Order: sequence, then C-alpha cells, then structure tokens
Amino acid sequence: GAGVSQSPSNKVTEKGKDVELRCDPISGHTALYWYRQSLGQGLEFLIYFQGNSAPDKSGLPSDRFSAERTGGSVSTLTIQRTQQEDSAVYLCASSLGRRGPGYTFGSGTRLTVV
Amino acid sequence: RKEVEQDPGPFNVPEGATVAFNCTYSNSASQSFFWYRQDCRKEPKLLMSVYSSGNEDGRFTAQLNRASQYISLLIRDSKLSDSATYLCVVNPRYSGGGADGLTFGKGTHLIIQP
Repeated sequence: GAGVSQSPSNKVTEKGKDVELRCDPISGHTALYWYRQSLGQGLEFLIYFQGNSAPDKSGLPSDRFSAERTGGSVSTLTIQRTQQEDSAVYLCASSLGRRGPGYTFGSGTRLTVV
Repeated sequence: RKEVEQDPGPFNVPEGATVAFNCTYSNSASQSFFWYRQDCRKEPKLLMSVYSSGNEDGRFTAQLNRASQYISLLIRDSKLSDSATYLCVVNPRYSGGGADGLTFGKGTHLIIQP
C-alpha cells in the first residue's frame, strides 16, 4: 500500500482480555518495528523484524507481549491478559532497510485497558 | 546518561522568530541522526536527516557536532504550523548483531504564537 496501515485505530478492552494489533507495512519494506508511546512520553522500542531473520524482541516489556510477521509482510502484536499499564498508542513503522533511510510510521492503535 | 536527551520545553516563540534546540546523545558510535516531527495525537513523521556536513531544507537547518555529541535543529521565520513536538532520533551502530533500530528522544514541544 501507499503507507503503513494499522488496525484497529482504537481499541478499548477490559483488563485481563487478550488483544491483537495489526500492521501492514509499505510493500517492499523489509524492516518493521513496533513502538509504543504512553501519554506525554517518548517512543519505547518493542520489537524489530528484518527480512527473514529472527526478530529482536529485546524491547518487549513482559512475556505477555508477542509479535509475529507472516510472509515478511503483515505483522501482528498480541498482548495477553492486558493490564491498565498497557494503555498506550502502539505504533508500527517500516523502512527499506535496517537503518532507513527514514522510517514511515502508521497512524497507530490507541489501546485503552479499562 | 540517557541515550538521547532533549529539553522537553515547551518553547513559546512568536511567529516569525528563529528558534533552535539541541539534542545530546550518549553513544559515540552512533551513525545516523534524524529529526522527526510529531503533531498532537498523530504519528511521528520524518522531518530531515542530519548529515555530518550539516544540511538545510528551506527554513530548517540541522547540524551535527560529533565531538560534543549533539545535534541541533534551527527553524527560521517560524510559522504557526511549525507548532509540534520535535523528536531527536539516533540510530546507533551495534556490533555483533541485534537490532539497530532508532532511539527516540522524548521530544521538544514547540508552540508558535501569533
């Protein structure tokens, strides 16, 4: 597609439920990142996919978080047993390669855990 | 020392003025530098890359000082539409594998006043 597409744009869920967030990167972009941004805070790196290499999961905050990328394209971020502190905007970005140039972000999924 | 540090502001600047802000980074091996702009409740968007020789794009000038490990952004003849949060972004170069994804500062909030 023309840009990075994320869905849903907003998600309200009850504490303890699982949620799945989707990212569809720009066609041909091999690098895909997930970040999250809490209110008034900077971007926090979560996970990185590069081509067919094993993902770098070093930013995932707990084992409740997981992500996969199927066929080198669409990625899903899954949060199990959601907690209120998981509330944030989850941003996906893609780029042509590991160092960019430049990263294109999707418009994000605003997750609210109640 | 945090990896990427910025003065959060806000910087309140009258329309037409020149404003500049800096960002410091801790990893001396960092290779790539960027300024991103983020509007309220929107995703970050690449404003400009920062090259060793400095670069200019219209009213915007970015500079890199490797010796002191900081980058700067200067905006001339500021417009109301320049109001946003400006994110300093550093791409460190890790040896031995691992993701070399972008490290974001928390941003500097700029408000241009009429």
